[in-house]
Amino acid sequence: GAVVSQHPSWVICKSGTSVKIECRSLDFQATTMFWYRQFPKQSLMLMATSNEGSKATYEQGVEKDKFLINHASLTLSTLTVTSAHPEDSSFYICSAPDRVSNNEQFFGPGTRLTVL
Amino acid sequence: GEDVEQSLFLSVREGDSSVINCTYTDSSSTYLYWYKQEPGAGLQLLTYIFSNMDMKQDQRLTVLLNKKDKHLSLRIADTQTGDSAIYFCAGADTGRRALTFGSGTRLQVQP
Repeated sequence: GAVVSQHPSWVICKSGTSVKIECRSLDFQATTMFWYRQFPKQSLMLMATSNEGSKATYEQGVEKDKFLINHASLTLSTLTVTSAHPEDSSFYICSAPDRVSNNEQFFGPGTRLTVL
Repeated sequence: GEDVEQSLFLSVREGDSSVINCTYTDSSSTYLYWYKQEPGAGLQLLTYIFSNMDMKQDQRLTVLLNKKDKHLSLRIADTQTGDSAIYFCAGADTGRRALTFGSGTRLQVQP
């Protein structure tokens, strides 16, 4: 199956700094990618839809100025957590849909962010 | 949008069958999915079922879909300790492709 990678797999940063997380589709093109957030012992919540060549679509309650999404190419979407705070500590997971079958999502392995 | 609910915890003995249940609200979901997540890891797609199907079997896994009751279940036959994980059901809003996940069921398999 198709592979989606994320980098870094984990990151620890100080409060107030910005962190960039990359999501790459390794062997297929993805015009759309999704970013999810998972707090400890909770489910995944959709944060935003990343669209190649256009602005991302954010879910209600997600601050677009805080979570900057850039989908600059057909294989790369980045999520930047700006001015991170401890409450932003979470597991961030991206996914890309299968453009051929349109019925399967390929998930990245996730990035664990810890803000001190 | 879609709302998906699951029971939080299930404990079974090794060798028994496990049944994880899920209810959803949006009957227009085209596909319904089951994912497995081990501690600290990403999501592993186990299986999915198209909305016009009632049942799908894949080795030890059997998915049952009751559209009338909006109920989805995952049965794991001959459950092993390696099956211990959190299981999420998920549905896709029609035309949107993003997934709405249930709260997850933690399966604990006792040796």
